[in-house]
Amino acid sequence: GAGVSQTPSNKVTEKGKYVELRCDPISGHTALYWYRQSLGQGPEFLIYFQGTGAADDSGLPNDRFFAVRPEGSVSTLKIQRTERGDSAVYLCASSLAGGSYEQYFGPGTRLTVT
Amino acid sequence: GENVEQHPSTLSVQEGDSAVIKCTYSDSASNYFPWYKQELGKRPQLIIDIRSNVGEKKDQRIAVTLNKTAKHFSLHITETQPEDSAVYFCAAGNSGGYQKVTFGTGTKLQVIP
Repeated sequence: GAGVSQTPSNKVTEKGKYVELRCDPISGHTALYWYRQSLGQGPEFLIYFQGTGAADDSGLPNDRFFAVRPEGSVSTLKIQRTERGDSAVYLCASSLAGGSYEQYFGPGTRLTVT
Repeated sequence: GENVEQHPSTLSVQEGDSAVIKCTYSDSASNYFPWYKQELGKRPQLIIDIRSNVGEKKDQRIAVTLNKTAKHFSLHITETQPEDSAVYFCAAGNSGGYQKVTFGTGTKLQVIP
């Protein structure tokens, strides 16, 4: 079946603007994760969903970042009042369930804040 | 929270030689240790993982070892090939209830033909 998809693949926005990044997980995967990856760094955990609820949002850097998964499938990461430091690749991953299941990553959204 | 350190940051080996990447972790509760490979411009993909109930796991040319006492684990790639060139990330997490992993900073492996 189809893998994890993310849209848009690239997003350029001006400082202070609002952006939404979308993730479509693999069908049937109940767990969904958002990561941020800066150049030369490993993925940095942002938030984890189990079904519709955020099981762990301890990685969100501040209250400008918010994510939803209203129907337990597609998720949207929302960033308000973007800052240049938000520029990074935002990765989404899904897995079959919680626990030690393999995470399947999407291709990422490259966000550039000018 | 968990802290994962990974060494070296870059590694160059001749084709056919072995490559070893080492990671340490801080949280003794971590019991799940996956390794991901990320080729340039592509998404990370799981290549092997190990759980704390075993000390070593092999899959063809790839092996991972785990020392829970010392809180370190390593990736070993034998008979390296040019297609092994990529960035490798180790990670540590727990399997209790949900899978949250903390990634290392990555090792850029270059296999020289």
